[in-house]
Amino acid sequence: DAKTTQPPSMDCAEGRAANLPCNHSTISGNEYVYWYRQIHSQGPQYIIHGLKNNETNEMASLIITEDRKSSTLILPHATLRDTAVYYCIVRVRTGANSKLTFGKGITLSVRP
Amino acid sequence: GAGVSQSPSNKVTEKGKDVELRCDPISGHTALYWYRQSLGQGLEFLIYFQGNSAPDKSGLPSDRFSAERTGGSVSTLTIQRTQQEDSAVYLCASSGGAGYRYEQYFGPGTRLTVT
Repeated sequence: DAKTTQPPSMDCAEGRAANLPCNHSTISGNEYVYWYRQIHSQGPQYIIHGLKNNETNEMASLIITEDRKSSTLILPHATLRDTAVYYCIVRVRTGANSKLTFGKGITLSVRP
Repeated sequence: GAGVSQSPSNKVTEKGKDVELRCDPISGHTALYWYRQSLGQGLEFLIYFQGNSAPDKSGLPSDRFSAERTGGSVSTLTIQRTQQEDSAVYLCASSGGAGYRYEQYFGPGTRLTVT
């Protein structure tokens, strides 16, 4: 899987948008960008994924640059419950190489 | 619908004992993964089942670890002769099924402590 780099931490005020960056400059054409998060003492939670188009779901938006070398996860109105470690992963979608490899992620702290 | 469930949620065992950890995937999901996460560490892949294909065991750290998936549904991870370094949270995830959803959905994990 292509390597990703994320800043170690960031904070955000409750109710404001949280923009979490990720660099993946060596991404291959068949690799998707996935975001997961892990709230303390819970299993990882899938958030969103995309290939090259921007994506939005009930949890977040994913903005992928045109060259696909970086992306941003946007939580439009962060709440205290969004405090978690967020992992950006690039991987093929199916098959034997579809196992997830999490790096250190970015710790998002949402402050009241 | 019901998510991935795992049991037990916590397990404390003595060094040298065998343990079995159970995973119930989301109904209809064809792929099942086991991972472990040591304190403050990232996810470590252990084993992957896909339908009736031979499992990918490339992540199992030693021959003390084994897993099976019966009837394409429930999976059991067995650790024989546990060691203190086996202490970790063991996570199960499943994916696939109708609509070919490949995103992995995780269970809450089993926290294993070897004393």
